[in-house]
Amino acid sequence: DTAVSQTPKYLVTQMGNDKSIKCEQNLGHDTMYWYKQDSKKFLKIMFSYNNKELIINETVPNRFSPKSPDKAHLNLHINSLELGDSAVYFCASSLPGGPQHFGDGTRLSIL
Amino acid sequence: GEDVEQSLFLSVREGDSSVINCTYTDSSSTYLYWYKQEPGAGLQLLTYIFSNMDMKQDQRLTVLLNKKDKHLSLRIADTQTGDSAIYFCAVPSGTYKYIFGTGTRLKVLA
Repeated sequence: DTAVSQTPKYLVTQMGNDKSIKCEQNLGHDTMYWYKQDSKKFLKIMFSYNNKELIINETVPNRFSPKSPDKAHLNLHINSLELGDSAVYFCASSLPGGPQHFGDGTRLSIL
Repeated sequence: GEDVEQSLFLSVREGDSSVINCTYTDSSSTYLYWYKQEPGAGLQLLTYIFSNMDMKQDQRLTVLLNKKDKHLSLRIADTQTGDSAIYFCAVPSGTYKYIFGTGTRLKVLA
């Protein structure tokens, strides 16, 4: 009964490729997020969606395009991957203003 | 912009108390949160405190909030080796954005 699940768990790919990460939550939350955690473990918000609408975009490059087909899903597509994109990407969901529930993360390695 | 700061490292002996500190700049938050991240895992909600409270106790965990100084702390009593992890404080900034602290890496020595 995973509350927030994201796939894949590991993603190893070459520079310049395009890849997607999927996220689903079964908590009935309206709000979903994408975070990036770098090698120093600093966690930074990338996007916030509420009811399928983009609310927050934290100056993320245009190569990153989130898509929310419905309230339970928020996918992240990344074009033209760069070395600096190597990180762990976390999906989360919450009620507005409430505590966040995190997925287990997707470890992206760019060769 | 909003800023949330934590000490990066803390090392304690098993059985001692651990105190993890957090300072923030944005004071409009209703709730403030503590999360725990174990190696290779996502963040788990540990506890939270409502902004009109000074203290909250939950078994081995005690959260203290000093709104005047914008200071939040997490005390873990009788720290165990299983408590070794990274601890993040999180402060909402508006309804749809959370600012996470830099994380404190707690190491418990046997």
